[in-house]
Amino acid sequence: EAAVTQSPRSKVAVTGGKVTLSCHQTNNHDYMYWYRQDTGHGLRLIHYSYVADSTEKGDIPDGYKASRPSQENFSLILELASLSQTAVYFCASSDRFSNERLFFGHGTKLSVL
Amino acid sequence: QQQVRQSPQSLTVWEGETAILNCSYENSAFDYFPWYQQFPGEGPALLIAIRSVSDKKEDGRFTIFFNKREKKLSLHITDSQPGDSATYFCAASNTGYQNFYFGKGTSLTVIP
Repeated sequence: EAAVTQSPRSKVAVTGGKVTLSCHQTNNHDYMYWYRQDTGHGLRLIHYSYVADSTEKGDIPDGYKASRPSQENFSLILELASLSQTAVYFCASSDRFSNERLFFGHGTKLSVL
Repeated sequence: QQQVRQSPQSLTVWEGETAILNCSYENSAFDYFPWYQQFPGEGPALLIAIRSVSDKKEDGRFTIFFNKREKKLSLHITDSQPGDSATYFCAASNTGYQNFYFGKGTSLTVIP
């Protein structure tokens, strides 16, 4: 079974601080995604990547940066964390040739105080 | 603009009943519709999916009914079990385009 591992599982950050969420996949997938989940909003795409060293903006990229240093790793960076960024963040990967299924990690619960 | 809408927001059924979860979409170019199941504390996982060339997809107790003309689909869960209690997300994409649009989800509770 494909595996996507996120770290940390939860984090408390201070407003204005820098936060880095990490994602590692062992699926040998080319595509990786960062989604945000808020109550009442479902899943919204923040950033995604098709290949290492390249990232694309999703639907809600403001306040977030992404980094894809290798095929396996994809990070989400909050340079100046804000209260509104309190949410659960999910990383996902999918296969380049059969992009019909997203494999999600367990999520990172971020609380910004 | 919400590309994918789901209703109801929450649904409670008795064990053994059929749960019906609804979904509609805006973009006529969408041609692939997966449903994801999410349990508390976990990430969503693919449950079942349908392509727009079909009007029905069945997998055990789970069936998707698709109406292309009305841009609507529904997920039917027959003989609902307490273990089906979860949040269900309808999603949509068009072939060749890597992004998926998700609805806000339906929280299903099955009472024993």
